[in-house]
Amino acid sequence: AQKVTQAQTEISVVEKEDVTLDCVYETRDTTYYLFWYKQPPSGELVFLIRRNSFDEQNEISGRYSWNFQKSTSSFNFTITASQVVDSAVYFCALSEATGFQKLVFGTGTRLLVSP
Amino acid sequence: EAQVTQNPRYLITVTGKKLTVTCSQNMNHEYMSWYRQDPGLGLRQIYYSMNVEVTDKGDVPEGYKVSRKEKRNFPLILESPSPNQTSLYFCASSSSATDTQYFGPGTRLTVL
Repeated sequence: AQKVTQAQTEISVVEKEDVTLDCVYETRDTTYYLFWYKQPPSGELVFLIRRNSFDEQNEISGRYSWNFQKSTSSFNFTITASQVVDSAVYFCALSEATGFQKLVFGTGTRLLVSP
Repeated sequence: EAQVTQNPRYLITVTGKKLTVTCSQNMNHEYMSWYRQDPGLGLRQIYYSMNVEVTDKGDVPEGYKVSRKEKRNFPLILESPSPNQTSLYFCASSSSATDTQYFGPGTRLTVL
């Protein structure tokens, strides 16, 4: 069965600090996809990244970076030089290549960035 | 603009009064899903659809119905809402089973 664990319920940082959000997943499949979504205070879900299980290359997009490690079943998300606008709930999610549209979410990490 | 729309955005109702939350996408996506979001539980899938007239249960389907008569629309029906269905509901669509799901703005439902 699929499972996604985000052990950090809430993280508080001061602006300009770097912060890493942890994501650990469980799956029996060799082919799967990992996602991160951002939910700002306004409530919508904003797609950030999709990564397939065969691509372990780390990705950087501006201040955002993702570290995918199959050996530890982790897909961690780092924000460099955090800003107040980064305050949101961040969800990690997993989809297996079963042909069914099933996205399993973690419980989310609330990030509070104070000025 | 490519988007998923949901209506209404906010709804307060009473126990037992049937309601429908509409969902529409303009991206010609085959796959659509409904999720509910509850504090401490993340998002859980209610139902999904792989194409017109093809739907299946997700993890928490009890108390909900769906239909997919047209490709662009995927309404969520609560025939007899109960207070434990008070939640934030999201509709999503994607072009394939494992492609990125794009979410609607959410519908906050309160059942009294």
